[in-house]
Amino acid sequence: KAGVTQTPRYLIKTRGQQVTLSCSPISGHRSVSWYQQTPGQGLQFLFEYFSETQRNKGNFPGRFSGRQFSNSRSEMNVSTLELGDSALYLCASSFGTGSYNEQFFGPGTRLTVL
Amino acid sequence: KQEVTQIPAALSVPEGENLVLNCSFTDSAIYNLQWFRQDPGKGLTSLLLIQSSQREQTSGRLNASLDKSSGRSTLYIAASQPGDSATYLCAVTNGGNKLVFGAGTILRVKS
Repeated sequence: KAGVTQTPRYLIKTRGQQVTLSCSPISGHRSVSWYQQTPGQGLQFLFEYFSETQRNKGNFPGRFSGRQFSNSRSEMNVSTLELGDSALYLCASSFGTGSYNEQFFGPGTRLTVL
Repeated sequence: KQEVTQIPAALSVPEGENLVLNCSFTDSAIYNLQWFRQDPGKGLTSLLLIQSSQREQTSGRLNASLDKSSGRSTLYIAASQPGDSATYLCAVTNGGNKLVFGAGTILRVKS
């Protein structure tokens, strides 16, 4: 069974631009969550989508947005990029919710903002 | 607000040693706790999931325990190997799929 895939793996943008990252979950998984990882703040939750609906949102500005498609693939978008948005963006895939629900991560997209 | 703390922040041990990594959380009303491993610049690999009703889980040389009432979990690694060198992360959920992570323990196993 294929794992979680994320594209692109690396991205370089300049301040003020926008970027779209993509995540394809494990086949059959309906939940996709996004995280930002930086050396200073560690891993922080951005948002979660389940069956095309945003179920939970972290404490990030409105420049960060996402969506999920009917095939469970998800995209996140960051508009008006700032230097501080440079980070490793990780997505996690899981079947559902509940105490038995194990989450699986993709390899991440490394975003550098110049 | 859930907070997760991991001790120690870094650990260096000789090959073959048994070791324990610690994780504590402030809100004991968790759904589950997961241990992950992260190699430099890579994604996270799930090691073990402990449901809130369970006390421990084992996978190969790894054993994780959970004491929900005291807000603690430990990850025990037996007979450590250089390939175990990585950052180990503990994360909990309080409902839904939002994971709250600790800062991690950087492990180095010397050959």
